[in-house]
Amino acid sequence: GQQLNQSPQSMFIQEGEDVSMNCTSSSIFNTWLWYKQDPGEGPVLLIALYKAGELTSNGRLTAQFGITRKDSFLNISASIPSDVGIYFCAGLAGGTSYGKLTFGQGTILTVHP
Amino acid sequence: SAVISQKPSRDICQRGTSLTIQCQVDSQVTMMFWYRQQPGQSLTLIATANQGSEATYESGFVIDKFPISRPNLTFSTLTVSNMSPEDSSIYLCSVGQSGANVLTFGAGSRLTVL
Repeated sequence: GQQLNQSPQSMFIQEGEDVSMNCTSSSIFNTWLWYKQDPGEGPVLLIALYKAGELTSNGRLTAQFGITRKDSFLNISASIPSDVGIYFCAGLAGGTSYGKLTFGQGTILTVHP
Repeated sequence: SAVISQKPSRDICQRGTSLTIQCQVDSQVTMMFWYRQQPGQSLTLIATANQGSEATYESGFVIDKFPISRPNLTFSTLTVSNMSPEDSSIYLCSVGQSGANVLTFGAGSRLTVL
């Protein structure tokens, strides 16, 4: 089945720094999603991408759907302590049943004040 | 987006017992799904909960172990049967947003099996 390779696995940064994480796949995806999960909570959608090359922002977050449709990145600018959490990329592959998302392994983000 | 309530939020269970998790949505939704998140891991789809018919299970998951009910468009249950410590996970209910390939997740039910 499809797999998503998400990196880095973890990041330790200072408040105010910018963050970048990415996901790659050997398969083509039609939809890329980025979620954040706080402790004790379910994943919350941050950004959804539907077209190759699409660049979308949500506040301090920016994500792009790679031209090859096999990768995506998420950038967080000027990080703050509440950015702490686990970030997951997720994709929906072509020909896949609706709702059958493939998730990356997650990036654990720690922000030091 | 839909608001999802899951019960219980967490439980500690004995080996060999079964536990049923409930998922209630504040609006009617066509698509409901159950995901599993093992400790420190990512999310894996268990099954699609179909209203009025048997659930559709993903590879590696079977109905005898994870029976699912979906009596209407706002409610579903997942039972984890004959539990073992390997079943210790967070179980998450999710629903599809109309017209978009996006899922909204509940807060999850964290099960610990001793």
